[in-house]
Amino acid sequence: ELKVEQNPLFLSMQEGKNYTIYCNYSTTSDRLYWYRQDPGKSLESLFVLLSNGAVKQEGRLMASLDTKARLSTLHITAAVHDLSATYFCAVDSSNDMRFGAGTRLTVKP
Amino acid sequence: EAGVAQSPRYKIIEKRQSVAFWCNPISGHATLYWYQQILGQGPKLLIQFQNNGVVDDSQLPKDRFSAERLKGVDSTLKIQPAKLEDSAVYLCASSSRSGTAAYEQYFGPGTRLTVT
Repeated sequence: ELKVEQNPLFLSMQEGKNYTIYCNYSTTSDRLYWYRQDPGKSLESLFVLLSNGAVKQEGRLMASLDTKARLSTLHITAAVHDLSATYFCAVDSSNDMRFGAGTRLTVKP
Repeated sequence: EAGVAQSPRYKIIEKRQSVAFWCNPISGHATLYWYQQILGQGPKLLIQFQNNGVVDDSQLPKDRFSAERLKGVDSTLKIQPAKLEDSAVYLCASSSRSGTAAYEQYFGPGTRLTVT
């Protein structure tokens, strides 16, 4: 059974600092997703990573995928308060779609 | 471009009652997903459609949950009878397998179900 693990589950950061969220998964993947969810809201798609070595960047967020290590990272550069949210990774393996437990990020001034 | 539409937004029912949720995906999106998100957890895929065919329903509790996507456009998810543990937000998402946003899933606002 496909398992997806995120860490850390909780992250408190100071504004201006850098940090990385990790997503490990247990089987081969077809696609890896990163989502953002604000409290009481639905999910917003951030990145879809399709192949080994894929790197995508949007603003202060950069996601990468290493399919050999079964690892994806979401790197946050110079965090700002607006990035406070819960971030989920999800893996699609032969149409079996599984989400991680989420990383609750709080950015403090 | 209109987003994914869901209704109702909120529903409160008693256990053992039935309930139905509706989803209208983004126009042209062949793939439609239903997820269950329990408070504090990540979403769990219940069922995935490709046009009007089921691609994956391995996590759908088939003794009480059912879903259909007639004509390959909008979809309904039904629970009958509901249990207390079904209290959750039910999310619908859609995606396309072509174009610059291939495989990107767009989520609707969700339906918050409370079973008392």
